[in-house]
Amino acid sequence: EPEVTQTPSHQVTQMGQEVILRCVPISNHLYFYWYRQILGQKVEFLVSFYNNEISEKSEIFDDQFSVERPDGSNFTLKIRSTKLEDSAMYFCASREKSSYNSPLHFGNGTRLTVT
Amino acid sequence: QKEVEQNSGPLSVPEGAIASLNCTYSDRGSQSFFWYRQYSGKSPELIMSIYSNGDKEDGRFTAQLNKASQYVSLLIRDSQPSDSATYLCAVSYALNFGKGTSLLVTP
Repeated sequence: EPEVTQTPSHQVTQMGQEVILRCVPISNHLYFYWYRQILGQKVEFLVSFYNNEISEKSEIFDDQFSVERPDGSNFTLKIRSTKLEDSAMYFCASREKSSYNSPLHFGNGTRLTVT
Repeated sequence: QKEVEQNSGPLSVPEGAIASLNCTYSDRGSQSFFWYRQYSGKSPELIMSIYSNGDKEDGRFTAQLNKASQYVSLLIRDSQPSDSATYLCAVSYALNFGKGTSLLVTP
């Protein structure tokens, strides 16, 4: 079964450094998402992306964050200058269609640790 | 702020019993509702989706939706120890997640 893949599985970085989290959505999916989950807390929506532009973003997704689809397969989340509070699990997800009954498929996540 | 509320638990049930998980939401315009299961350190996995009032059954799982009461629930029949996980309620394209209910099924 096709799946969403994320790399790396674990990233450790120092405060103030830039990080790029990578995702390869399922190949025929058109809608892409990033979520984060701070340890012990809920899954929080960050941003959705369609047709090479952001379609929706949350309050968390401030100027420190950016997303890009640099080629036909990768979808990346960049954090420009990491803070300690950015430490979390970051999940990429994709869906085939925009219709409300099109299921969301999650990747296995990248655990980001900011020291 | 569109809220999705769940009792964090833990909810403990004996093996073979019915587990009942509940969720309320604040956005009356929501059309889609999802239940995800999340094992510790893993990504959410879709179990059920429901879009209209009433019950929807899939194997041991039944989702129930009441839009008037802004309430959605998940019943797990014949609970197994492998069902022990956190169950996340999600609303509206899964953009809004509840904090999740931790379920523990004891042998």
